[in-house]
Amino acid sequence: AQSVTQPDIHITVSEGASLELRCNYSYGATPYLFWYVQSPGQGLQLLLKYFSGDTLVQGIKGFEAEFKRSQSSFNLRKPSVHWSDAAEYFCAVGVRYSGGGADGLTFGKGTHLIIQP
Amino acid sequence: DAGITQSPRYKITETGRQVTLMCHQTWSHSYMFWYRQDLGHGLRLIYYSAAADITDKGEVPDGYVVSRSKTENFPLTLESATRSQTSVYFCASSVLRGSGETQYFGPGTRLLVL
Repeated sequence: AQSVTQPDIHITVSEGASLELRCNYSYGATPYLFWYVQSPGQGLQLLLKYFSGDTLVQGIKGFEAEFKRSQSSFNLRKPSVHWSDAAEYFCAVGVRYSGGGADGLTFGKGTHLIIQP
Repeated sequence: DAGITQSPRYKITETGRQVTLMCHQTWSHSYMFWYRQDLGHGLRLIYYSAAADITDKGEVPDGYVVSRSKTENFPLTLESATRSQTSVYFCASSVLRGSGETQYFGPGTRLLVL
């Protein structure tokens, strides 16, 4: 079965500094990969997703992520964070569509991002 | 454009009571999902539905029942609530078949079981 590991429970970054959130996955085939963001008291919003092709994926709000098959990683990056980026970030992996049905996304446990002024 | 809504947003109930959480989407998405979010566990899939009258279990289905008589609605029922079901519940939907498709999430329901 697929699994997702987000090794950092909390990360603190100064406003204006760069950010990298780590995500490692376990899956037998090339996966679908997602990053979602959850602001306090809100639902999850999709930041970006990887299906195939270019391994560097651009998302909303200035985020990008790079798929590295050799490292089974899909790390999220942003060159300069803003105070409004403070939130919970979830990496997720989905089963590749094979016509056999869907079982939903498998999520990591999340990384809580704190922005220091 | 309402998107996907959940009701109630907050619910307090007692152990042993039946509780139904509602989920409604206006996009006519085929797939709908229920997740629970707990500290230390992230989001875990409870049930999903591929279409009206087609549902299947996810990772943590015990103690929950779902139905889907209409495409736009996907209620989740706790038949006899337990304290371990205190959680935040998220409903989601997607256009096409397969969990490789983007899922769109509702705002969540915070449930407290006393």
